[in-house]
Amino acid sequence: GESVGLHLPTLSVQEGDNSIINCAYSNSASDYFIWYKQESGKGPQFIIDIRSNMDKRQGQRVTVLLNKTVKHLSLQIAATQPGDSAVYFCAENPNQGGKLIFGQGTELSVKP
Amino acid sequence: EAGVAQSPRYKIIEKRQSVAFWCNPISGHATLYWYQQILGQGPKLLIQFQNNGVVDDSQLPKDRFSAERLKGVDSTLKIQPAKLEDSAVYLCASSSSGLAGHGELFFGEGSRLTVL
Repeated sequence: GESVGLHLPTLSVQEGDNSIINCAYSNSASDYFIWYKQESGKGPQFIIDIRSNMDKRQGQRVTVLLNKTVKHLSLQIAATQPGDSAVYFCAENPNQGGKLIFGQGTELSVKP
Repeated sequence: EAGVAQSPRYKIIEKRQSVAFWCNPISGHATLYWYQQILGQGPKLLIQFQNNGVVDDSQLPKDRFSAERLKGVDSTLKIQPAKLEDSAVYLCASSSSGLAGHGELFFGEGSRLTVL
């Protein structure tokens, strides 16, 4: 069935380093992707999105890369800060009425 | 702008009891979603409404779960009777993008259910 998965369940980085979180998706019909950040006890919070007609999109300190050939997404966080510690989810829209399918998540831990 | 409101934040019940969760989406958002998030997993869609109509309830365990959005604004998700495996956070989200568009889903803080 449809699935979005993450390669690494946990990632630990030093403050100031760059972080890269990876995600694989399985539905080639998906045309929209979002990264969410979820802090403990809170709902997911939007970080950045990308449409399938793009392969890169930049935000403030974050960049999303999309490789449709291998169905792979990545989220790059520059100069990672302690406040970036959270679980990060990628989600895909399989072009079925606006719903999002989420992956398992990667827990990012930033060491001061 | 007020966000998505959910209540209660926490609920503890025994198995076979019933529980109801309430959600008030962002004003003007026609699309409303209920997701179930089991500890250590990503959110899983239970049901999607467009105004007061159900768009997708294929993942909703209809023998015990029900949801309604009678006036196309706030929504209620009910579980009766609850099972141990229903312990999870129930997230409500809303969107202004509609069925044909793409856009961010705005999530509430969630309602954490523990079934004993």
